[in-house]
Amino acid sequence: NAGVMQNPRHLVRRRGQEARLRCSPMKGHSHVYWYRQLPEEGLKFMVYLQKENIIDESGMPKERFSAEFPKEGPSILRIQQVVRGDSAAYFCASSPLIMAGGAADTQYFGPGTRLTVL
Amino acid sequence: GNSVTQMEGPVTLSEEAFLTINCTYTATGYPSLFWYVQYPGEGLQLLLKATKADDKGSNKGFEATYRKETTSFHLEKGSVQVSDSAVYFCALSDRTGGSYIPTFGRGTSLIVHP
Repeated sequence: NAGVMQNPRHLVRRRGQEARLRCSPMKGHSHVYWYRQLPEEGLKFMVYLQKENIIDESGMPKERFSAEFPKEGPSILRIQQVVRGDSAAYFCASSPLIMAGGAADTQYFGPGTRLTVL
Repeated sequence: GNSVTQMEGPVTLSEEAFLTINCTYTATGYPSLFWYVQYPGEGLQLLLKATKADDKGSNKGFEATYRKETTSFHLEKGSVQVSDSAVYFCALSDRTGGSYIPTFGRGTSLIVHP
């Protein structure tokens, strides 16, 4: 059973370019979370999605950042017009559905995408 | 809102020493509590969890007990190994609107010397 897959593992972009980060959840998981990890800081929640729905985007910057989780295919975190401050590790995690509805409390993390903005 | 506070690192120990990493939390509800471990260059992996007061989570020699009265979930290991060197994250997950949105601490780096 494959774990959470993220690609690319490393991404280099110049200021002003777009970055697209992909996440394929574990098989059978319908909930995806995106986090950002800055050097010397903890994990910051960005957005929580189910298939075709954004459930909570309270941690997403209001501009330049967007996320989607289409019916088919991976979840995408998109950063437009990247700036140096966007350089960080971006982690995706997935959770299965629980009997009562909603995501289970345990998350399974991917290996991360390390974005470097030159 | 919810928050997690863990001791600052790095924590530097010799092999076979006793480990404690402190974690305290604030939450409005009755959260589940977790310890995750992150090895260099990798994502987080669940180490152990506890879902209610007085539960003890354990895995790979690590233990943590859910203490509601002190709102704590301290991580302990009796004898650390060099391979335990990693960053440890304490987290809570509180059910909000039917699903869990976790809150993580800042992480504590553990360095174990031979």
